[in-house]
Amino acid sequence: DAKTTQPTSMDCAEGRAANLPCNHSTISGNEYVYWYRQIHSQGPQYIIHGLKNNETNEMASLIITEDRKSSTLILPHATLRDTAVYYCIVRVAVTGTASKLTFGTGTRLQVTL
Amino acid sequence: EAQVTQNPRYLITVTGKKLTVTCSQNMNHEYMSWYRQDPGLGLRQIYYSMNVEVTDKGDVPEGYKVSRKEKRNFPLILESPSPNQTSLYFCASSLKGQGDSPLHFGNGTRLTVT
Repeated sequence: DAKTTQPTSMDCAEGRAANLPCNHSTISGNEYVYWYRQIHSQGPQYIIHGLKNNETNEMASLIITEDRKSSTLILPHATLRDTAVYYCIVRVAVTGTASKLTFGTGTRLQVTL
Repeated sequence: EAQVTQNPRYLITVTGKKLTVTCSQNMNHEYMSWYRQDPGLGLRQIYYSMNVEVTDKGDVPEGYKVSRKEKRNFPLILESPSPNQTSLYFCASSLKGQGDSPLHFGNGTRLTVT
């Protein structure tokens, strides 16, 4: 699976959009981009994933560049409860073969008043 | 409510005393997996299962066993726990084991082996 690079930490003011970047320059054509977050020591929470197109759900938006070498997770109106470690992961999609998630060190997002 | 349930949440035991951490999902998922999380090492996969009666080693399987007799359950067994297995453990499941199938995690089991 391709490796990802994320900033170690970021700050965001409550109510503002939080834009979390991720670099995955070695991504292959059949690899999905996934985002998870982990609050304290709770189980990682799935946020969103995408292959080529931008995606949006009730939690966030995922913007993937045209060359797929980087992506941005957008939390449109960050709240204090969004303070967490955010993981960007690429995951290969190969039918018939297990495709694990390999977690890196992530970005620690601190949302402040 | 769709969820992955692990028990117990906290467990303190002594070296060599066999223990089992249970994991159950109610989403009819085929794929299940165990991870451990340690400071500075992140989350590492222990074992996974693509379906009933099919299990495979992950990155750090030594000292662990698993079984998948039923679709919903995937217990993690430590036959002879050692202090280096003190960790935070997560069970996870997904509809399939491939890339377009999000993995959903349980709330974790914090294990301390003395």
